[in-house]
Amino acid sequence: QKEVEQDPGPLSVPEGAIVSLNCTYSNSAFQYFMWYRQYSRKGPELLMYTYSSGNKEDGRFTAQVDKSSKYISLFIRDSQPSDSATYLCAPQGIKAAGNKLTFGGGTRVLVKP
Amino acid sequence: EPEVTQTPSHQVTQMGQEVILRCVPISNHLYFYWYRQILGQKVEFLVSFYNNEISEKSEIFDDQFSVERPDGSNFTLKIRSTKLEDSAMYFCASSDTTVGQPQHFGDGTRLSIL
Repeated sequence: QKEVEQDPGPLSVPEGAIVSLNCTYSNSAFQYFMWYRQYSRKGPELLMYTYSSGNKEDGRFTAQVDKSSKYISLFIRDSQPSDSATYLCAPQGIKAAGNKLTFGGGTRVLVKP
Repeated sequence: EPEVTQTPSHQVTQMGQEVILRCVPISNHLYFYWYRQILGQKVEFLVSFYNNEISEKSEIFDDQFSVERPDGSNFTLKIRSTKLEDSAMYFCASSDTTVGQPQHFGDGTRLSIL
């Protein structure tokens, strides 16, 4: 089983729709959960990060973590064409500061005008 | 907003040559990282660096690779005797010393080995 898994997509939605992205992981040592957005030929851009289980909202973005099922979600409300990108989940362990990120393969999202 | 900068944006090198990729992390960050992404594949961790020494490295980071902080602002990745399979995007990242603080990435160097 892969350590972090995401559906590669592409996920195609009309402008204004809610985008729902999911990620599963197998390592129970993961405690911090990051979501990054990556445009073509660019570096990962931090969107949100959460600690342990629960919800976190930031503008149009909501991140949810369910540690009991090892399941992470990201929701994008009122999606825009500029949201078209690849979304990467990247959990992290709690052993110390400076822990590596373990990336999923990413989900490609296409928001159509 | 402070950002991580990487140079060059694209490096073309003959197989067997040495290459140095450069990064300027965010100024108050003390943890530095290198990741790579082979075309069409996921982002993979290579190495983390703190207090002038390697904190953690992956299986990919073998004797062919080395990292250095030559001065107070730069962080470099050296690849000796490059191979075709080293062709990838190489991303530098940095973070502060608080546990769980996110890593911020540069836009990468695209390394092409001929």
